[in-house]
Amino acid sequence: QVQLQQWGAGLLKPSETLSLTCAVYGGSFSGYYWSWIRQPPEKGLEWLGEINHRGSTTYNPSLKSRVTISVDTSKNQFSLKVTSVTAADTAVYYCARSRGMYCSTTTCPRIAYNYWGQGTLVTVSS
Amino acid sequence: DIQMTQSPSSLSASVGDRVTITCQASQVISSFLNWYQQKPGKAPNLLIYDASNLETGVPSRFSGSGSGTDFTFTISSLQPEDIATYYCQHYDNSFGPGTKVDIK
Repeated sequence: QVQLQQWGAGLLKPSETLSLTCAVYGGSFSGYYWSWIRQPPEKGLEWLGEINHRGSTTYNPSLKSRVTISVDTSKNQFSLKVTSVTAADTAVYYCARSRGMYCSTTTCPRIAYNYWGQGTLVTVSS
Repeated sequence: DIQMTQSPSSLSASVGDRVTITCQASQVISSFLNWYQQKPGKAPNLLIYDASNLETGVPSRFSGSGSGTDFTFTISSLQPEDIATYYCQHYDNSFGPGTKVDIK
């Protein structure tokens, strides 16, 4: 059974760097995309970016300059860093795994997330 | 960027009712559309992928259809445990705004 367990600092001051890690238990680490998705209080979901086991990344253009996702395959972990945080970065942050890695003309498992971490509330406040 | 719209934004229905939510993409996205259920305080849960495929373990009262730009999500017989917010999603930042489902 695949499980994603995430952790990181929950309270930050403006201008600090948000840092979260997600550990993957069970299943293979290769063959999937690993994503970070966040949800501000009482709002919808925002995809931040993804990485695969080779370290290939794609980021949300609106946050690209502040977001870095990295992977440590030796530990089956991947991490998120968001620099220069403001109150607008206050959100529950989730790590998630895609259903697969590649898309065809009829199916695209890369973009469906079927395993999620428990979520981490990150509050940015002075 | 592809924008996703959902309607309605919220609905109330009785137990046993058929519930339908629609999602529209700003561009053609083939059948690459997923549906998630999110209960308060919980992570989203994938219900439907590729527009109409039921994720393993998801009850058969949930279904999806559509392709191109117009998609539909249906709960055939609403149950009390279905109280949640439902999101459609394409790729990267293309999550719909959500539909909150309550029991009347």
